[in-house]
Amino acid sequence: KAGVTQTPRYLIKTRGQQVTLSCSPISGHRSVSWYQQTPGQGLQFLFEYFSETQRNKGNFPGRFSGRQFSNSRSEMNVSTLELGDSALYLCASSPEAGEDGELFFGEGSRLTVL
Amino acid sequence: GNSVTQMEGPVTLSEEAFLTINCTYTATGYPSLFWYVQYPGEGLQLLLKATKADDKGSNKGFEATYRKETTSFHLEKGSVQVSDSAVYFCALRTSGGYQKVTFGTGTKLQVIP
Repeated sequence: KAGVTQTPRYLIKTRGQQVTLSCSPISGHRSVSWYQQTPGQGLQFLFEYFSETQRNKGNFPGRFSGRQFSNSRSEMNVSTLELGDSALYLCASSPEAGEDGELFFGEGSRLTVL
Repeated sequence: GNSVTQMEGPVTLSEEAFLTINCTYTATGYPSLFWYVQYPGEGLQLLLKATKADDKGSNKGFEATYRKETTSFHLEKGSVQVSDSAVYFCALRTSGGYQKVTFGTGTKLQVIP
C-alpha cells in the first residue's frame, strides 16, 4: 500500500512569490492535515480537511490556504512568501477522525524562501 | 489551550544505555497521547500511543505510561541502539479535536557506538 506522497520534495522561491504544495493521502484515507516544521517552532498545525471541507485551522495568516479534492488529494498554497515561511511542510492522512487515530505522514516538502 | 512540553535535546547516549525522554502536557478533557519518531530525511511515524489513564504504550522496546495524576507520558527504553538515533516527538489529541494534534518541540537523540 503506497504511503502519503508529497510533491515537490524540495523547492526554492523568492520573497513575494507564491507556492503550491501537493499531498496524496493513503488510499482510503479521507482526512488530510498539514503541519509546518521549523527548528525554532517545532511542528505547528496549519489545517485539516475531511471530505473536501476544512474542519480545523491553526493560527496562521490568511496567506496560508488549502483545499481538498473529491479524491482526497490536498493542496496547500502560500501567497506572498516571506523569509520566515522557509520550513518543512508535512502532510498527514488518517482514515477517520478518531481521537486515538494514528496520523500517517509524508516525507515533507522543504521550502526555502530567498 | 493544549500544550506539550518535552525535554530539550540533543540527548547523546552510548549504545546499550537507558533512555528517558520526559514529556508533560496540559489539555482540556481527556487526551490521547502519542510518541512519534522522525528519522533523518523522513516524515514522522507513530512509535506508540495510549488512550486513557494508566495505559502503557509499547513498541520496538520503547515504553510510555499515561500518568493522569502527573500529566506525563515519559518515553523509556532499556537499551538504546545506534539505529534509534532520531528526533522524538510527544503529542496529544483531545476529544473532538479532529486531526488537530498538538506536538512538543521534539528531542533529538544521538546514540554513539
